[in-house]
Amino acid sequence: AQKITQTQPGMFVQEKEAVTLDCTYDTSDQSYGLFWYKQPSSGEMIFLIYQGSYDEQNATEGRYSLNFQKARKSANLVISASQLGDSAMYFCAMRRSGFQKLVFGTGTRLLVSP
Amino acid sequence: NAGVTQTPKFQVLKTGQSMTLQCAQDMNHNSMYWYRQDPGMGLRLIYYSASEGTTDKGEVPNGYNVSRLNKREFSLRLESAAPSQTSVYFCASRLNREVEAFFGQGTRLTVV
Repeated sequence: AQKITQTQPGMFVQEKEAVTLDCTYDTSDQSYGLFWYKQPSSGEMIFLIYQGSYDEQNATEGRYSLNFQKARKSANLVISASQLGDSAMYFCAMRRSGFQKLVFGTGTRLLVSP
Repeated sequence: NAGVTQTPKFQVLKTGQSMTLQCAQDMNHNSMYWYRQDPGMGLRLIYYSASEGTTDKGEVPNGYNVSRLNKREFSLRLESAAPSQTSVYFCASRLNREVEAFFGQGTRLTVV
């Protein structure tokens, strides 16, 4: 069975600082994908970044990067130069290759202060 | 650029009432999904449809039914609502050759 663990219920960061949101996963599969989604207070789920299990380079999308450590089964999200608009819930998720289901973690609430 | 549209956005039901949550996507996606989000539990998959004409159970299907009406639309029905079905419901869709799923705005359902 797959499982995603996000151990930080809440994180605080000052504007313009970098922050790392932790995510560890458990799977016996060799081929899978890891995702991060952002959920602002308005409620929608916004896709941020994706990492395939066979990708050798860490994924980056603008200010977002995914620190992928396969041996440790971790997929931490790094947000550089935090902005007030980054305040939101962040969910880590995983999907086995060839399967439909996304398995989500319980989320981390990030608060960015001026 | 509508993406994934869910209706209604809010609903209050009495225990035992039935209702259908509607979802439509205009991105020509093959797969569509229904998730529920409960506090402290992340999102859990209720049902999905990998292509038009097919539906499959997810993690928490009990108490729900779905219909993939056509490629665009995927509805979720509660036949006899229970307080345990109070949740935020998300519809999502994905083009099978792509990795990311796109989500609707969510439906906040309260069963009293």
